[in-house]
Amino acid sequence: RKEVEQDPGPFNVPEGATVAFNCTYSNSASQSFFWYRQDCRKEPKLLMSVYSSGNEDGRFTAQLNRASQYISLLIRDSKLSDSATYLCVVNLRDSSYKLIFGSGTRLLVRP
Amino acid sequence: EPEVTQTPSHQVTQMGQEVILRCVPISNHLYFYWYRQILGQKVEFLVSFYNNEISEKSEIFDDQFSVERPDGSNFTLKIRSTKLEDSAMYFCASSTGVRKDTQYFGPGTRLTVL
Repeated sequence: RKEVEQDPGPFNVPEGATVAFNCTYSNSASQSFFWYRQDCRKEPKLLMSVYSSGNEDGRFTAQLNRASQYISLLIRDSKLSDSATYLCVVNLRDSSYKLIFGSGTRLLVRP
Repeated sequence: EPEVTQTPSHQVTQMGQEVILRCVPISNHLYFYWYRQILGQKVEFLVSFYNNEISEKSEIFDDQFSVERPDGSNFTLKIRSTKLEDSAMYFCASSTGVRKDTQYFGPGTRLTVL
């Protein structure tokens, strides 16, 4: 089983749409959770951390369900500039603090 | 805003040659990482480095790989004898001592092995 699993997409949505991405992780020892955004051939950029209580940053809302080992990202009022690959990332907070990446979900926002 | 920088942006080398990829982490960060991403695949952890020693390395990080922090600012990844399958984007990342798990990535070096 993959450590972090995501639907690869692509999700093709019109501007203004609401879109949701899901992610599951296999290691129950995972401690920290993130969504990163990656544009084509660029570095991953931190979008937001994900907390058990859920958190919101403008048009973006992230949720974590530890019991189900499930993370979600909701994007409201999609913009053309939101087109990118969204990476679900977990961290075990072991001695190295290494990040474990999902393969990403591709989002295409059309005019 | 401080950022991680990497040089070169693109390195082309012949199989069997040695390459050194360079990174300058954010200045007050204490934890340093290398990741790689083969085209079309996910980002994979290679190695973490703290207090001038390796904290953890992945199975990918075999004897052909080494890391070094030669001075107070640079963090390097050396591949001794490159293979075709080493062709990938190599990302350096760093984090503070407080939020170790919040890592900031450099723009990457695209390594092409011919």
